[in-house]
Amino acid sequence: GAVVSQHPSRVICKSGTSVKIECRSLDFQATTMFWYRQFPKQSLMLMATSNEGSKATYEQGVEKDKFLINHASLTLSTLTVTSAHPEDSSFYICSAGAGVNTDTQYFGPGTRLTVL
Amino acid sequence: AQSVAQPEDQVNVAEGNPLTVKCTYSVSGNPYLFWYVQYPNRGLQFLLKYITGDNLVKGSYGFEAEFNKSQTSFHLKKPSALVSDSALYFCAVRDKAAGNKLTFGGGTRVLVKP
Repeated sequence: GAVVSQHPSRVICKSGTSVKIECRSLDFQATTMFWYRQFPKQSLMLMATSNEGSKATYEQGVEKDKFLINHASLTLSTLTVTSAHPEDSSFYICSAGAGVNTDTQYFGPGTRLTVL
Repeated sequence: AQSVAQPEDQVNVAEGNPLTVKCTYSVSGNPYLFWYVQYPNRGLQFLLKYITGDNLVKGSYGFEAEFNKSQTSFHLKKPSALVSDSALYFCAVRDKAAGNKLTFGGGTRVLVKP
């Protein structure tokens, strides 16, 4: 149980285009999902917390208009990187938890974004 | 504010020997503590957690961790390391009073040599 999937696993796009990444909880309902960014050989940096049916909460320094998050259902959250630039190239990982104060987050396999 | 420190960037151990990965934390309230493992180009896999109860927590793949409140530590241990344990290990903390946001340590790369 507690499986989280991400799609796509990797994507290459041209500078200026937008890319959508999906995060799904496959066998549980996730009231809260989290989006992280990981640079090579570094730790995970929380970008935003996505709550089903409400606006996402962004961490300081993360541009809301650039990283659009939608959590329309209890099993799906999407992250859209708008007008992508090479510096947006990174490994994006989502996680999901159930309940208001879930004690465990389960992570997706990650999406490798490369912007040319 | 909550924080996590993993003092070692890398730990090298011979196969069959004990493995320890260190973690210390700082929270204002009572902590939830977690260990995750990451293989190359993959997401994080949950290993174990401490919420309350026994200080020694047993998790997946033979790993265990001991919660030490006085030393604010949560070191990960495995009695006999395998080559397949070579990966990147992350310690994470959540302050019960601060919602469900996780803060991760910088990660420790474990290399188990045959």
